Amino acid sequence: AQSVTQLGSHVSVSEGALVLLRCNYSSSVPPYLFWYVQYPNQGLQLLLKYTTGATLVKGINGFEAEFKKSETSFHLTKPSAHMSDAAEYFCAVSGRDKLIFGTGTRLQVFP
Amino acid sequence: DSGVTQTPKHLITATGQRVTLRCSPRSGDLSVYWYQQSLDQGLQFLIQYYNGEERAKGNILERFSAQQFPDLHSELNLSSLELGDSALYFCASSPLLDSLTEAFFGQGTRLTVV
Repeated sequence: AQSVTQLGSHVSVSEGALVLLRCNYSSSVPPYLFWYVQYPNQGLQLLLKYTTGATLVKGINGFEAEFKKSETSFHLTKPSAHMSDAAEYFCAVSGRDKLIFGTGTRLQVFP
Repeated sequence: DSGVTQTPKHLITATGQRVTLRCSPRSGDLSVYWYQQSLDQGLQFLIQYYNGEERAKGNILERFSAQQFPDLHSELNLSSLELGDSALYFCASSPLLDSLTEAFFGQGTRLTVV
C-alpha cells in the first residue's frame, strides 16, 4: 500500500526566503509522485510530477522537487518565496487506482 | 482553467436531505474521480469511474453513490445528509484508466449541511 506523510502542517517564510516543504512516501513499487497546490477557494493545480528518469523535477512557478529513493522523500523547494505562493500544498503518490494525498502544508509568506 | 466543471459551486442543505453534485470532465477524458476534502480527514478518495463503469472505491459511505453517464459526465449523490458530510467535494478527470497520468481537478462543490 502507498502512503504519504507531509511534515509540518504550517510553514511560514519571509518573502524572498527559501521555501522547503517536506514529503515522505511509502510505496511497495516504484512510485509516481506529485505536488499539487490549492489556492484559497480554488481547486487543486498540478505543480510538478515525478514518474521516471531525472530525479530533479522542475514545475511551474519556480518550484522544483527532488526524488530521493534512499530517503523515500520528495521535498518541494523554491529558492525565493513570493507573496503569491501563499497556498496549501499537497504531496501525492499514485496508488493502484487513485492518487493518495498527504494532509497538506499551508504556506504563509510574510512581507 | 482545468477544463473540469463542477456544479453547483456552493450548496447549503439541511440534515436528512439528499443532494446531487455534478461533474463534467475535460473533453476526451474517460476517467472521473471523486474526492472529499474536510478539515479533519484531509483529501479522501471516494470513487472512480472509467467510461461509465465503476473501477475503484475508496472511503465512500453507503449513503453516497455515484454514476457516470454515456456523455461521460458524472454525478455524486449524497443522501440522509449529516453535519459531518459538510466538506469540499472535488471531481478530477484523466484520460486513461489509471491515475499515473496527471489528474485535472475541478474547483469543487462546497457542501454545508445545517
